[in-house]
Amino acid sequence: GIQVEQSPPDLILQEGANSTLRCNFSDSVNNLQWFHQNPWGQLINLFYIPSGTKQNGRLSATTVATERYSLLYISSSQTTDSGVYFCAVREEDDYKLSFGAGTTVTVRA
Amino acid sequence: DGGITQSPKYLFRKEGQNVTLSCEQNLNHDAMYWYRQDPGQGLRLIYYSQIVNDFQKGDIAEGYSVSREKKESFPLTVTSAQKNPTAFYLCASSTMGGRYNEQFFGPGTRLTVL
Repeated sequence: GIQVEQSPPDLILQEGANSTLRCNFSDSVNNLQWFHQNPWGQLINLFYIPSGTKQNGRLSATTVATERYSLLYISSSQTTDSGVYFCAVREEDDYKLSFGAGTTVTVRA
Repeated sequence: DGGITQSPKYLFRKEGQNVTLSCEQNLNHDAMYWYRQDPGQGLRLIYYSQIVNDFQKGDIAEGYSVSREKKESFPLTVTSAQKNPTAFYLCASSTMGGRYNEQFFGPGTRLTVL
């Protein structure tokens, strides 16, 4: 099956800092989603981005499907950005999402 | 309010017991999914259903069973055959057809075996 690798595994930021999270995948995909898992376990949809660039407030994401990677940018980080960020992909002709192991982000005041 | 609900939020089970986790959605989505999350890991697919009265095994279906009698509901039963059932269980749903099928998740159920 498809392999999804996220880096870095852990990230500690000072409030106000910017950061970049990376997701590499091993095969062609027709769906890529970024999620934020809050401390209560809820998965919050950030982006549906199989290709191209999207922005939502302080967050933006870019997927380069031909090179099999996606980047999530967090700007001017806040303590509420803390949590685990997951990248998940769906292969062509498949229905499930395959998840990476996540990046744990801790933002300190 | 459109969304996905799961119940209960926390569930405790004695070894040898079957338990059923509820998942309901009012998003009019055709497809529904069950995932399992273990500490420090990503999610893994247990079962999914594309249409009422039809479902397929995911990567880790052993020890689990599902039903899909209604479009809105996709309950998961954790049987006594599941050797390590303590985990966080998440239900999801999406539209079907075409290339756009973003998945949305419920709040999850934490199952602990005593």
